[in-house]
Amino acid sequence: NAGVTQTPKFQVLKTGQSMTLQCAQDMNHNSMYWYRQDPGMGLRLIYYSASEGTTDKGEVPNGYNVSRLNKREFSLRLESAAPSQTSVYFCASYIARGQGIGNEQFFGPGTRLTVL
Amino acid sequence: KNQVEQSPQSLIILEGKNCTLQCNYTVSPFSNLRWYKQDTGRGPVSLTIMTFSENTKSNGRYTATLDADTKQSSLHITASQLSDSASYICVVSAKDSSYKLIFGSGTRLLVRP
Repeated sequence: NAGVTQTPKFQVLKTGQSMTLQCAQDMNHNSMYWYRQDPGMGLRLIYYSASEGTTDKGEVPNGYNVSRLNKREFSLRLESAAPSQTSVYFCASYIARGQGIGNEQFFGPGTRLTVL
Repeated sequence: KNQVEQSPQSLIILEGKNCTLQCNYTVSPFSNLRWYKQDTGRGPVSLTIMTFSENTKSNGRYTATLDADTKQSSLHITASQLSDSASYICVVSAKDSSYKLIFGSGTRLLVRP
C-alpha cells in the first residue's frame, strides 16, 4: 500500500514548455486534489476531482489543466509553463467517513517544479 | 472570506521544552479542524482532527484544543524532540463543502539540542 505517489519529484522547465505531473493513489478514494505550495503561503487548491469522471476548478486554476484518468490517477498539465508556476505541487486523495467526522486527506510527497 | 491564520510564523525552542502554536479561523459554517505536520521536502501528514463538539484531542505528545465559540485552536507540543522540527499547518473545512480545505500558512518550528 503506497498511499499517494507523485512523479516526477523534481523538474526544471523553460518558459513556454509543457509537462504533466502524475499522481496515483491505491486507497480506493473517490476524491483527488492538486495543490501548490509557495513560500509563506498556505496550500492553494488548483483543481479537484470529487469522483471519477468529474473535475472542478479550485482557487488558482489558471494555466493548468487536469485529467482524472480513472479512479486511481489524476494528472496535472502545464501547457505553457511560466516562472510564476515555480512551486511545489502536492497531490492528495480524500476519504469521507461521515458528516465531517473522520474525513481525511492524504498527501503525496510533492513535485518541486522550477520554471526558468 | 474563509481564512485561517496561524501564529507565530516561526519558533525556535530547545529540546525538551514545551510550546504552543495558535490558529484563528473565520471559516463558516465550520465542519472540522485539523493539524498537519509537514517535514521539509515531504507532504503534510495529519496529527489530529476535531469537530465542533470536541474541545481537545491528543496524539502522543501533541495536544490540540478547539474553542468553536472564539474560533481558535492551539497545538501544544510537550517535551519537544529534534524530530518535531517541521512546519505545522492548521486546516479548516466548511460544512457546505467538507472536501474543500482552507489551509493556514503554517508555523515553522525548529527544535535545537
